[in-house]
Amino acid sequence: SQTIHQWPATLVQPVGSPLSLECTVEGTSNPNLYWYRQAAGRGLQLLFYSVGIGQISSEVPQNLSASRPQDRQFILSSKKLLLSDSGFYLCAWSGSPDPQGYTFGSGTRLTVV
Amino acid sequence: AQSVAQPEDQVNVAEGNPLTVKCTYSVSGNPYLFWYVQYPNRGLQFLLKYITGDNLVKGSYGFEAEFNKSQTSFHLKKPSALVSDSALYFCAVRDIASGGYNKLIFGAGTRLAVHP
Repeated sequence: SQTIHQWPATLVQPVGSPLSLECTVEGTSNPNLYWYRQAAGRGLQLLFYSVGIGQISSEVPQNLSASRPQDRQFILSSKKLLLSDSGFYLCAWSGSPDPQGYTFGSGTRLTVV
Repeated sequence: AQSVAQPEDQVNVAEGNPLTVKCTYSVSGNPYLFWYVQYPNRGLQFLLKYITGDNLVKGSYGFEAEFNKSQTSFHLKKPSALVSDSALYFCAVRDIASGGYNKLIFGAGTRLAVHP
């Protein structure tokens, strides 16, 4: 069966420090991968999505970047964190091209101080 | 533009009563619709989806949703609410223009509070 792993679960980082969040998927090949941010416990904002190794699409220009160095690995990064980067970050995967929904990771709570 | 709306920020219901969480959508063509639930500090969990077929879709934990094309709605329902159903619920529609990217457009979420 397919599983998605996301870590760390919580992170407290000072302003100006770098960030690396990792997401990996098991049990499937060539998944579509997504990074979302959820602010204030409500709406979801799509940050990045990827349909293959090295293929990254950005939805919103910001202080973050994403990379997909391997088929089932998706990394969210920042060189210098801002206070506004605080939030709950969710990774998700889906198969393609079937009209499937997403399977989400358990999320990372990032607090920038 | 394609969109999905959840008109209620919060829904309050007494345990044992039926519940409805509303969702309306706007897409061109046939919609693919989804409901997800999120418990505090957790990822979203899939509840159910409508792709085609019967308008009444049954999902996890006793939830069901009714697809109504004329009203462009996909309301989530449960005959008898449990306190443990208290969570944040998201409606989503597949962005048809996204093709193989399979992007989902999420509503803003509705917080369901079930009171004992």
